[in-house]
Amino acid sequence: KQEVTQIPAALSVPEGENLVLNCSFTDSAIYNLQWFRQDPGKGLTSLLLIQSSQREQTSGRLNASLDKSSGRSTLYIAASQPGDSATYLCAAQNQAGTALIFGKGTTLSVSS
Amino acid sequence: NAGVTQTPKFQVLKTGQSMTLQCAQDMNHNSMYWYRQDPGMGLRLIYYSASEGTTDKGEVPNGYNVSRLNKREFSLRLESAAPSQTSVYFCASSKNVDEQYFGPGTRLTVT
Repeated sequence: KQEVTQIPAALSVPEGENLVLNCSFTDSAIYNLQWFRQDPGKGLTSLLLIQSSQREQTSGRLNASLDKSSGRSTLYIAASQPGDSATYLCAAQNQAGTALIFGKGTTLSVSS
Repeated sequence: NAGVTQTPKFQVLKTGQSMTLQCAQDMNHNSMYWYRQDPGMGLRLIYYSASEGTTDKGEVPNGYNVSRLNKREFSLRLESAAPSQTSVYFCASSKNVDEQYFGPGTRLTVT
């Protein structure tokens, strides 16, 4: 059974710092991995999707990597800003059209 | 495009009452999903529909029923609400191989 873990549960950094959020999964036979952002009281916003055949995806200041052999994905945020403060969730999908298995998230706070 | 829409946004029910949560997507996606989000538990799948006319149980289906009314709409019904069903409910959709898009959620309280 796929399990997804995100450590740490919370992270505080000063503005401008580069940071890495970690996600690990137990079943390396994943179909894809997706990173989301959730603001308090809001829904989930998709940030990046990495297919199993890919090693990384980039969008603006965000870069997500996937290493299936080690069961790890990282989300790199460059030059963090207060507006990046939110909870970041990673989720693994084992087959096309099936459910996402979510980690519990890392809550990021960026101070100005 | 509105994306994924959910109604209602908020609801308070008494134990034993029933209600239906509505979800619609305008992206011509094949697959639709219902998740619940609870503090400390993360998001867990209740039911999903891989295509029109099919539905399957997820991790926490007890106490819920679903209907895939057509390709656009996927509803979640609570027949007899219990306090344990107090949660935030999210609907999502995807083309099978693509990323999932989430609605804004329904915040349900059962007293």
